[in-house]
Amino acid sequence: EVQLVESGGGLVQPGGSLRLSCAASGFTFSSYWMSWVRQAPGKGLEWVANIKQDGSEKYYVDSVKGRFTISRDNAKNSLYLQMNSLRAEDTAVYYCARGLQRDYWGQGTLVTVSS
Amino acid sequence: QSALTQPASVSGSPGQSITISCTGTSSDVGGYNYVSWYQQHPGKAPKLMIYDVSKRPSGVSNRFSGSKSGNTASLTISGLQAEDEADYYCSSYTSSSTWVFGGGTKLTVL
Repeated sequence: EVQLVESGGGLVQPGGSLRLSCAASGFTFSSYWMSWVRQAPGKGLEWVANIKQDGSEKYYVDSVKGRFTISRDNAKNSLYLQMNSLRAEDTAVYYCARGLQRDYWGQGTLVTVSS
Repeated sequence: QSALTQPASVSGSPGQSITISCTGTSSDVGGYNYVSWYQQHPGKAPKLMIYDVSKRPSGVSNRFSGSKSGNTASLTISGLQAEDEADYYCSSYTSSSTWVFGGGTKLTVL
């Protein structure tokens, strides 16, 4: 059974940093692109970033470029999102999803940026 | 990276068919056959319903179908059921090698 479990969310002050993790199981993690998608409270979905199977290609939405870094560790079946210089508008539930088509999603982890 | 345009809400009665549109540009929806549709119930993670414009993942009811014409993609749900009531989002690959979602459509089953 495919499982994606996010962790690392929480309350952080503006300008602070947070690292999200996504533990994958039930499939060959190293064979898939992986994505992060976020959803602000009461709002729609927003694609944040994705990373190629071997980590050689990474793409980001303009609003997080230079602040967020997506990475992966195929030996640990894990996906990461390092978030720096956090802003109030980054407050959202962050989901990891499998593949370019995002056919499986985790349950999400809430990031709240507030003083 | 502007969001794709979806109607804010649509509604239909049980057994009827509804269509949700998703309008982009030639740099996203119109330029690639990489349009996906997701269903999201309140408090739940999104679920993939359609990918590559018109393909259905295993396990998704054949009442759900997708199509595209020019810069507009569409999701059609036939034989509406109460459990179809949810938010629906389209997504497309873009010429910048990024992805963009629509603003979402709330489907109400009357």
